[in-house]
Amino acid sequence: GQQLNQSPQSMFIQEGEDVSMNCTSSSIFNTWLWYKQEPGEGPVLLIALYKAGELTSNGRLTAQFGITRKDSFLNISASIPSDVGIYFCAGRGFTSGTYKYIFGTGTRLKVLA
Amino acid sequence: GAGVSQSPRYKVAKRGQDVALRCDPISGHVSLFWYQQALGQGPEFLTYFQNEAQLDKSGLPSDRFFAERPEGSVSTLKIQRTQQEDSAVYLCASSLSSRGNTEAFFGQGTRLTVV
Repeated sequence: GQQLNQSPQSMFIQEGEDVSMNCTSSSIFNTWLWYKQEPGEGPVLLIALYKAGELTSNGRLTAQFGITRKDSFLNISASIPSDVGIYFCAGRGFTSGTYKYIFGTGTRLKVLA
Repeated sequence: GAGVSQSPRYKVAKRGQDVALRCDPISGHVSLFWYQQALGQGPEFLTYFQNEAQLDKSGLPSDRFFAERPEGSVSTLKIQRTQQEDSAVYLCASSLSSRGNTEAFFGQGTRLTVV
């Protein structure tokens, strides 16, 4: 199935550092979503973006909807141990006749205290 | 609760057995999605419902997979004659609208193991 390109694949950082990850697509999307998933749980929505160029924050998280509508990035500032998990981007677009969410391959984040 | 609920959380099936996975979406949500997540991968689209209508089943991997949402609320994903490659986490998501600006909320998933 189709998946978006997400980078980096994994990150090991020190507590207090900032983190940046991005997602790119060959298709145009009208919505970008960022999720966090922890072991044994479903993805939890972090941030939703609806307009090209939009920059949205949620606490220490900041995400942007790329101008071309084919990319998005997520920043986490001043990381803490509980930020550990897998972060997924998801783009929503009209493909095969319906709207669906296409997910990225994930960024695995580990924070060292 | 107010979130998406899936049951069972875990299911072990013998190869060849049929299984049924249930999803209770958030009340009032029009759209319902099923995704399959293999170990270490992102969720992959299986099928989409708008109310009771199954508008897209392009992601179902074979005709052994069948989904329904007869009354536009609860949905069931059925897998017939399970195979080992069906082992994965099956995620259900719902969203309020069928188009436009909308967010999708996921359940905790059902982890299916075929032995």
